[in-house]
Amino acid sequence: GNSVTQMEGPVTLSEEAFLTINCTYTATGYPSLFWYVQYPGEGLQLLLKATKADDKGSNKGFEATYRKETTSFHLEKGSVQVSDSAVYFCALKETSGSRLTFGEGTQLTVNP
Amino acid sequence: DAGVIQSPRHEVTEMGQEVTLRCKPISGHDYLFWYRQTMMRGLELLIYFNNNVPIDDSGMPEDRFSAKMPNASFSTLKIQPSEPRDSAVYFCASSLVGRFTEAFFGQGTRLTVV
Repeated sequence: GNSVTQMEGPVTLSEEAFLTINCTYTATGYPSLFWYVQYPGEGLQLLLKATKADDKGSNKGFEATYRKETTSFHLEKGSVQVSDSAVYFCALKETSGSRLTFGEGTQLTVNP
Repeated sequence: DAGVIQSPRHEVTEMGQEVTLRCKPISGHDYLFWYRQTMMRGLELLIYFNNNVPIDDSGMPEDRFSAKMPNASFSTLKIQPSEPRDSAVYFCASSLVGRFTEAFFGQGTRLTVV
């Protein structure tokens, strides 16, 4: 079945550091890939998405590229801010297009 | 649209009591999902509906849990009787059909069973 594996957290960085959160997936067909962010006390909200191989999703300085050859969708940001502290979830949506499969989430803390 | 609306935001109840969580999806969305989030188990899909019909309830932990969607604008998740291990944050989400479309989440209901 479909699955998503994220790098283990928590991740702690200093402000302005470079961020990478690894995400790999297992799926049949051609899934769409998503990154969600969850701020404390809130629900998950979409950060970015990519729907086909080599697509790059981007938003708020975050980027991720759909790599079919390595089945990966790593999240990157060049310079993190304290306000980026949150839990980040990688997810895929199967070809049939109904449900999302989420990774376990990665807690990011950015210190001033 | 106001987004996915869940109520209540917080619920504290005693063990053995019935608990009902409510969700109003985004108008026009075809799918509705109920998730549970805990520190130990992360984010778990409990059940989801397509056009008000339950499609997969394999994630519902026990018979104490039930979910309904009587119409396109309302769904409930009921726990009867509740137990302390049911304490978690419960999220409702909705989406349009299609493999490119994202799910929109509500703010969640934090349930504490004492």
